[in-house]
Amino acid sequence: KAGVTQTPRYLIKTRGQQVTLSCSPISGHRSVSWYQQTPGQGLQFLFEYFSETQRNKGNFPGRFSGRQFSNSRSEMNVSTLELGDSALYLCASSPGAGYQPQHFGDGTRLSIL
Amino acid sequence: DAKTTQPTSMDCAEGRAANLPCNHSTISGNEYVYWYRQIHSQGPQYIIHGLKNNETNEMASLIITEDRKSSTLILPHATLRDTAVYYCIVRDSQGGSEKLVFGKGTKLTVNP
Repeated sequence: KAGVTQTPRYLIKTRGQQVTLSCSPISGHRSVSWYQQTPGQGLQFLFEYFSETQRNKGNFPGRFSGRQFSNSRSEMNVSTLELGDSALYLCASSPGAGYQPQHFGDGTRLSIL
Repeated sequence: DAKTTQPTSMDCAEGRAANLPCNHSTISGNEYVYWYRQIHSQGPQYIIHGLKNNETNEMASLIITEDRKSSTLILPHATLRDTAVYYCIVRDSQGGSEKLVFGKGTKLTVNP
């Protein structure tokens, strides 16, 4: 079974630009969650989508948004990029109900110049 | 905030068992304990999870105390490739959300 796939693996942008990251979950998984990892703040939850609906949201500004498609694939978008948005962005998928664990992709490393 | 407390770092000799403790004194009845590890520059890797019974899989064993206030992850024969940051997380299985709250984890170093 293929794992969680995130594209691209690396991305370089400049301040003020916007970026879209993509996540393909494990086949059959309906929940996709996004996390941001930085050296200072560690791993922080951004949001979760389940059946194309945002089910939970972390404490991030509105510049961070996401969506999920009918095939469970998900994208997250960051607008008006700031230097502090440089981070590893991780996607995780799970069946979405009960106690089954999430499985993570290897992330997209975003660098803002 | 994370609901778990873990030591910042631990060392283990290659071939020996690594026992990683985790305190979760405020755990509630519906919350499971999950363990993940993260090797540098990779995404967190799921290891094992449990509710109240001890669990074992091909990677590790999870021992949960009877009062469920703490647990121990056991890597029976640690190798150099087990060097990683290990995260212990509790999550409500009935909360309708998959949100994981990560703490700082334990940096395990396996020495030759």
